[in-house]
Amino acid sequence: AQSVAQPEDQVNVAEGNPLTVKCTYSVSGNPYLFWYVQYPNRGLQFLLKYITGDNLVKGSYGFEAEFNKSQTSFHLKKPSALVSDSALYFCAVRDTLRAGNMLTFGGGTRLMVKP
Amino acid sequence: GAGVSQSPRYKVAKRGQDVALRCDPISGHVSLFWYQQALGQGPEFLTYFQNEAQLDKSGLPSDRFFAERPEGSVSTLKIQRTQQEDSAVYLCASSLDPQGYLENTEAFFGQGTRLTVV
Repeated sequence: AQSVAQPEDQVNVAEGNPLTVKCTYSVSGNPYLFWYVQYPNRGLQFLLKYITGDNLVKGSYGFEAEFNKSQTSFHLKKPSALVSDSALYFCAVRDTLRAGNMLTFGGGTRLMVKP
Repeated sequence: GAGVSQSPRYKVAKRGQDVALRCDPISGHVSLFWYQQALGQGPEFLTYFQNEAQLDKSGLPSDRFFAERPEGSVSTLKIQRTQQEDSAVYLCASSLDPQGYLENTEAFFGQGTRLTVV
């Protein structure tokens, strides 16, 4: 069965500093990997995805993520954090060998950026 | 419409009451998903439609949960005889790809319906 782990419930970072939100996954086939962000009382907003190709993918709002097959990781990064980046971040995976198109989500990581 | 629309945004139901949650996906999106998000947790898959066909309902927690998408567009998630453990945010998502092997694989989510069973 596919699974996603986000080992940190919360990440605290000062504004202007780089941030990393960790994600590891487990699938039987090749993974499609996604990051979503959730603001209070809002739905999930798509940030970026890895399907194939370059291991470093760039997404919305200056975020990027690096796919590492050997470590089965897909960490989310941003060079300089903004207070407005404070939100709940979810990593998700879709297993290309599994019938159906559902995403399996991690438990989420709350990012707090302090001024 | 411009995005996935869900209604109602909030629903309070008495235990034992039936509820119906509506999802209007992005026009032209073939795939439609329902997820359940309990407080403080990540969304969990409930069911998946490709057009009007319900291809996967493995995530539905009990036979009290039923979903339909009769014309391949609007979908309704129905919960019969609601229980307190059904309290959660129900998220609907749609995506363009019909087979899951295209570049357009990201799902777009609605704002969700927050169901509270009292």
